Amino acid sequence: QSVLTQPPSVSGTPGQRVAISCSGSSSNIENNYVSWYQQLPGTAPKLLVYTNNQRPSGVPERFSSSKSGTSASLAISGLRSEDEADYYCAAWDDSLRGVVFGGGTKLTVL
Amino acid sequence: DVQLLESAGELVQPGGSLTLSCAASGFSFSTFAMNWVRQAPGKGLEWVAGSGGTGSGGATDYAESVKGRFTISRDNSKNTLYLQMNTLKLEDTAVYYCTKGKGHSSSSAFGHWGLGTLVTVSS
Repeated sequence: QSVLTQPPSVSGTPGQRVAISCSGSSSNIENNYVSWYQQLPGTAPKLLVYTNNQRPSGVPERFSSSKSGTSASLAISGLRSEDEADYYCAAWDDSLRGVVFGGGTKLTVL
Repeated sequence: DVQLLESAGELVQPGGSLTLSCAASGFSFSTFAMNWVRQAPGKGLEWVAGSGGTGSGGATDYAESVKGRFTISRDNSKNTLYLQMNTLKLEDTAVYYCTKGKGHSSSSAFGHWGLGTLVTVSS
């Protein structure tokens, strides 16, 4: 059971916009930055978005994040087949004094 | 370019010990937080331990599941991160990733990841 809650799967068609939710609590998401990671099949995870919707160089603007209270969301616009991957949210937890991850969401591009 | 190279994983018996290393290059190693994150076969990501950079006073933090059994350390003169794992359990079987933080605190996002190394705990 992960501290952060994500839907197990989401799907969309090419060109669509999809959103992946991440639900936590006041000890993690509400009072700390959230980061999002993409893991393509058989590869190491990669940082997508962090802090206040910042993207590392090379990450397209199609990926964006938002936060409200104890929940966060990753939005992917202009969906492409290469976006098919597992996506994870993460945040520092003040009570646990460590980083907590969501269980991961598998994105399928139909 | 940032590079993180983990040592080769091994097959270890339950109750055994193993030390992983991660050779870092391409950045000022001492400045940044370094963390270990693991992924059990077919499962999600789990943070294991973190070591803060010089700006955080070198603080270390551990997941509850490994506290008292694992020790994270770093040799800034060798640009190398370590994870000493003792009293290994079957549930420690996972791919272990070395990661570099975006900042000096263990709470900063994991900006770069190594390729990962598989540790198998089995009799």
